[in-house]
Amino acid sequence: GQNIDQPTEMTATEGAIVQINCTYQTSGFNGLFWYQQHAGEAPTFLSYNVLDGLEEKGRFSSFLSRSKGYSYLLLKELQMKDSASYLCAVRDSNYQLIWGAGTKLIIKP
Amino acid sequence: GAVVSQHPSWVICKSGTSVKIECRSLDFQATTMFWYRQFPKQSLMLMATSNEGSKATYEQGVEKDKFLINHASLTLSTLTVTSAHPEDSSFYICSARYYLAGGHNEQFFGPGTRLTVL
Repeated sequence: GQNIDQPTEMTATEGAIVQINCTYQTSGFNGLFWYQQHAGEAPTFLSYNVLDGLEEKGRFSSFLSRSKGYSYLLLKELQMKDSASYLCAVRDSNYQLIWGAGTKLIIKP
Repeated sequence: GAVVSQHPSWVICKSGTSVKIECRSLDFQATTMFWYRQFPKQSLMLMATSNEGSKATYEQGVEKDKFLINHASLTLSTLTVTSAHPEDSSFYICSARYYLAGGHNEQFFGPGTRLTVL
């Protein structure tokens, strides 16, 4: 079966760095997405990885290793507004999006 | 857990025809559902918010007469792409809002529908 695993919840301190991991097992691979979602709002696109390596975008970076079926989202200089759920999603060979359950990130002052 | 299904998972149609996509919340009632569109290598784009028993709220730039949304029950919302054209070929994904204990809510997403218009 197809599966996306990410931690249910993480807690970090304002100003610190946090890494949210995502492992996947899918039938084929056509890209991995990270989304941010604040409670009650639509998800916001953060990053897209299709090749191995690190993609940096401001305070957020996303890494992919296709051979390991692994990705992580790195958030630097954490701000209180970063408290949200972070969704990992993989597009499989049929271009179906397989979604992780999301990681709820709690930022403490 | 909360499960959202979509049907069909993929569809190929001729230009000028209409296509209906169903979104169902399988084990919970969803007063609010969302419809997204995603083009290759791009992010999800919210098309509209569907509220049970009332008219959908469309995002700017989305033609409401082309993308008909009906949310007639608490477990079903449908998106009909009318007079589809090749530029409508995309990945359409729905999500349903699920209310948790304590007043919090989350969105659960369907697996998506891949539409190809020839």
